[in-house]
Amino acid sequence: EAQVTQNPRYLITVTGKKLTVTCSQNMNHEYMSWYRQDPGLGLRQIYYSMNVEVTDKGDVPEGYKVSRKEKRNFPLILESPSPNQTSLYFCASSLTASGKYEQYFGPGTRLTVT
Amino acid sequence: SQQGEEDPQALSIQEGENATMNCSYKTSINNLQWYRQNSGRGLVHLILIRSNEREKHSGRLRVTLDTSKKSSSLLITASRAADTASYFCATDDTGGFKTIFGAGTRLFVKA
Repeated sequence: EAQVTQNPRYLITVTGKKLTVTCSQNMNHEYMSWYRQDPGLGLRQIYYSMNVEVTDKGDVPEGYKVSRKEKRNFPLILESPSPNQTSLYFCASSLTASGKYEQYFGPGTRLTVT
Repeated sequence: SQQGEEDPQALSIQEGENATMNCSYKTSINNLQWYRQNSGRGLVHLILIRSNEREKHSGRLRVTLDTSKKSSSLLITASRAADTASYFCATDDTGGFKTIFGAGTRLFVKA
């Protein structure tokens, strides 16, 4: 089954404790992306990757890191989480970055930073 | 920066009625897409319309695009309670790499 998986689905952590949210897709997609969703603000793009070893900032990259060492994986790293990073996070992938193709979304990771 | 902005923010209708949601954006686009999200879950793609298209249909969905007004509308005909969800428009920047979502329209269909 074609899908995007994220882990963990729920995470409660404390300020400053490094964490990684994993994202994996099994569709051989070139493009992958991370979004955060906050009430009233819709989805905002954090980082995206056009292919292996090619990443770039979205609209809200501060406080986040990403890497794309393999085509299928695109982890999101929070080196020193802060309470304003409490949010619902989605990973997505699409065939290419052209915008001509739909994005497939993971189920989401609900992160709480206390 | 938010490109797509949906209107209205929330919409409540009776089952069987039509629902219309609008999306406005600020800069030139290549494509515009509509997504649906059920309560806190992942988004599901509904329909894509290219900048050189004016109208597109998919089942009970009808999307229009007016590039001169930088706006799009999503019409759901003969709505059902199962259509209750949030609906988002998404645009790509002219390079096609970034995706910008609007804040969404929350649709509630009463049975």
